[in-house]
Order: sequence, then C-alpha cells, then structure tokens
Amino acid sequence: GAVVSQHPSRVICKSGTSVKIECRSLDFQATTMFWYRQFPKQSLMLMATSNEGSKATYEQGVEKDKFLINHASLTLSTLTVTSAHPEDSSFYICSARVLGGASGSSRTQYFGPGTRLLVL
Amino acid sequence: KQEVTQIPAALSVPEGENLVLNCSFTDSAIYNLQWFRQDPGKGLTSLLLIQSSQREQTSGRLNASLDKSSGRSTLYIAASQPGDSATYLCAVQGANNLFFGTGTRLTVIP
Repeated sequence: GAVVSQHPSRVICKSGTSVKIECRSLDFQATTMFWYRQFPKQSLMLMATSNEGSKATYEQGVEKDKFLINHASLTLSTLTVTSAHPEDSSFYICSARVLGGASGSSRTQYFGPGTRLLVL
Repeated sequence: KQEVTQIPAALSVPEGENLVLNCSFTDSAIYNLQWFRQDPGKGLTSLLLIQSSQREQTSGRLNASLDKSSGRSTLYIAASQPGDSATYLCAVQGANNLFFGTGTRLTVIP
C-alpha cells in the first residue's frame, strides 16, 4: 500500500514553455503533499507544501509565481513550472502524507518516483 | 532549524564487508527517522522507518538504530553486495517537515 505515482517520469521542453507534473496517491488519501527538488549529487530540497483545498506554502527562495502548485483533491497535486528556463532543469519529487491523526506514523511521507525535467 | 548530517559522504568497500553509515541530527524532537536508498537518476526507496519511541528496526541484511537523545542513527549493512551500491539518505520527521541528510554514496566493489 501507500503508493505514489508521478507523471511524466521524464520531460524535455523548450525554454519559455510551461510544464505540468502530476503527483497522485494511488491507494490512500493525502491531506498534504510535498514537492521537492534535487540537483545532481545533492540532497532533496523542499520547495513547497500543499494541503488539499488551500494555497500551498512555499519555502524561502522558491518563486510561487514560477512554480504553481494545485492540490484540488485528496489524491492529486500538480506542479506547473511556468516559463521554464534551463536553470529549472532538475529532478522533481513529490511525496504524500496519509490522512490521519497526530501520531508519528501518520506523519510518514510516501515518495513518488520523480520527474526529470530538462529545459533546452 | 533541524540540520541532518551524514558521514561519510562517500564510501567504497569490497564485496562481503559489513559497513555502517552514520546520520546525526541537531533537534531531538522528531517523530520518526527514515533511511532511503536512491539509485542514480531514480526516486527514493524507503528502507527502514524508526518511530521516535523505537530504538531499532531490521529488514534482511539492514539494521537501523536510533538514539534520539544523542541525535544519532546508524544504518548497518551486513555482507555487502555490489547491488547495494547507491546513495543512502536519512531523513528526520519534524512536526511539519521532513529534513534530509546530505547522503552517503556507497560503492561495493565486486
């Protein structure tokens, strides 16, 4: 159980275009989804946290107008990279937290397989 | 702010050796600690999750320990195999966020 999928797994786009990445929790409902970014040979950096039905909370230094996050349902969150530039090329990973109470287990995040974005 | 550090950053061992990866964190107020494996260009594979009330977890050749008071965790890999070669990440769960370590890149030499 607790499977998270991402689509697409890999995308190549031209500079100036927008790219949408989907993150789905397949067999559970997620009140909260997280978007991370990973540069080569570096660890994951949290970009934003999204709660279903409300605006996302962005980490310091992340442009909310460039990285649009929508969390319209308990099983789907999307990240749209608007007007992409080569420096946006990266590995984007989402995770989802199980709907539940305040125990440690309910805070466990389940990760998607990631999306490789290359902007030419 | 929670800071998570992993030592060593890289490690090469001959096949068959037992090895230990280290993870330290600055704030002991955590809900759980998780060890992940990441292969090049791939996503994260969860290996072991230790709740804050637990001291260790085992899965096959892997054993993870947690000493919350000292802010440390170790991942022990027994009888290493070339297929164990990957980057290993530890992550601690705070009240709202998951904080990742810097990772240890493991190479097991046949």
